[in-house]
Amino acid sequence: GQQLNQSPQSMFIQEGEDVSMNCTSSSIFNTWLWYKQDPGEGPVLLIALYKAGELTSNGRLTAQFGITRKDSFLNISASIPSDVGIYFCAGQQPGGSQGNLIFGKGTKLSVKP
Amino acid sequence: DAGVIQSPRHEVTEMGQEVTLRCKPISGHNSLFWYRQTMMRGLELLIYFNNNVPIDDSGMPEDRFSAKMPNASFSTLKIQPSEPRDSAVYFCASRGRGRGPNTLYGYTFGSGTRLTVV
Repeated sequence: GQQLNQSPQSMFIQEGEDVSMNCTSSSIFNTWLWYKQDPGEGPVLLIALYKAGELTSNGRLTAQFGITRKDSFLNISASIPSDVGIYFCAGQQPGGSQGNLIFGKGTKLSVKP
Repeated sequence: DAGVIQSPRHEVTEMGQEVTLRCKPISGHNSLFWYRQTMMRGLELLIYFNNNVPIDDSGMPEDRFSAKMPNASFSTLKIQPSEPRDSAVYFCASRGRGRGPNTLYGYTFGSGTRLTVV
C-alpha cells in the first residue's frame, strides 16, 4: 500500500531548540494531518491542512502543506520538556477510501531540560 | 465530552484464548476505525465502519480477527484464537460529520488497549 516517509525517525534536542520534521510521498494527498502521541495514550490531532501551500499554526507549532501536495512539514519552536512524544503525519489521498488516513511511522522526540 | 473509550486498557492472555476489545465512540460520530500499533509496522488500519456498516476490512490480518458494530455507540474487535504475534496496542478512533480539524479526516483516538499474548 501507499507509504508516507517520515523523517527523522528520532530526535534528541535541548530544551529551547527549534524542531523540524517532515513527511513525503510519491503520490499526492489532498489532506495532511499532524498528530502527537504521548506514552500510553492515543494520538491527538495537532494541526490539519486542507490546501496546497497552506501554512497553519497552533501555538508554537507550525505546519505546511507542500505545494506539490506530496509533502508536509511540522516545526516546533522553543521546545519544552512536555513536547516529548511521537509525532505522526497522516494523509488522505484523492479518491481514497473515505476517511481512510495513511500514517507515517512517526518521529520520536526527546527533549533534554 | 468523554472522548473515545476503550476497554480494557491492558490485557494479558495465553496463546489460544479468545480476546475481545471494546470501544465506545464519541456520541454523534458516524465513523469508527480500529488500528493496530507495533514498533515494526507503526499504525495499521484494520477495519472501519461508516454508520455501523463495515466499509473496508482489508487490513484485518486473518480470519482469526473479527469486528462488529451492533449500534452507533459500541464496537468490538475479537481475536480467536490469539497468538503471540498479535501482541500490540489496539486503538479505536471515531470521526464525526462535517469539516474541520476535529471532524473531517481528523479522528479522535481512544487511549488504546495494550494486548500481550504469552
